[in-house]
Amino acid sequence: EPEVTQTPSHQVTQMGQEVILRCVPISNHLYFYWYRQILGQKVEFLVSFYNNEISEKSEIFDDQFSVERPDGSNFTLKIRSTKLEDSAMYFCASSFKDAGRNSPLHFGNGTRLTVT
Amino acid sequence: SQKIEQNSEALNIQEGKTATLTCNYTNYSPAYLQWYRQDPGRGPVFLLLIRENEKEKRKERLKVTFDTTLKQSLFHITASQPADSATYLCALRRSSASKIIFGSGTRLSIRP
Repeated sequence: EPEVTQTPSHQVTQMGQEVILRCVPISNHLYFYWYRQILGQKVEFLVSFYNNEISEKSEIFDDQFSVERPDGSNFTLKIRSTKLEDSAMYFCASSFKDAGRNSPLHFGNGTRLTVT
Repeated sequence: SQKIEQNSEALNIQEGKTATLTCNYTNYSPAYLQWYRQDPGRGPVFLLLIRENEKEKRKERLKVTFDTTLKQSLFHITASQPADSATYLCALRRSSASKIIFGSGTRLSIRP
């Protein structure tokens, strides 16, 4: 069964550094998402992306964050200047149709980001 | 403000019994509700979806109900097995939004 793949599985970075988290969504999916989960807390929505633009973003997704689909297969999340509180598991998800059309999300297994 | 609450942080039941998990929401008018399973260190995995005009949905040993008057969904696992041990998340989408919002989850443990 096709799956969403995320790399790296674990990223350690120093405060103030830029990180790029990478995702390869399922190939025929059209809608892409980033979520994060701080240890022991709930899965939080960051951003949704369709047709090469952001559809919706949360208040967490401030100017330090950006997303890109640089080619036909990758979907990336960039954090420009990491802070300690950015330490979390970051999940990429994709869906064939808009989440608003009853389409479930398919998640990758996440990138654990540790900011020191 | 909008809230999704999953009543129990943890639920511990005997193998073979039915596990019932609760999801309540406030200040939402969801078009549909989804349930996901999350194992430690892994991404959520979709289980079931129920629409606002459906009362009940079944899939194998899983059953979901959706009461828009009570603003509540119940998730049942019948004939529970130790392999069902995981965290179960309910998720909602508002009619006017594209994002799916998750509850904090219920950690289910099935003891042999």
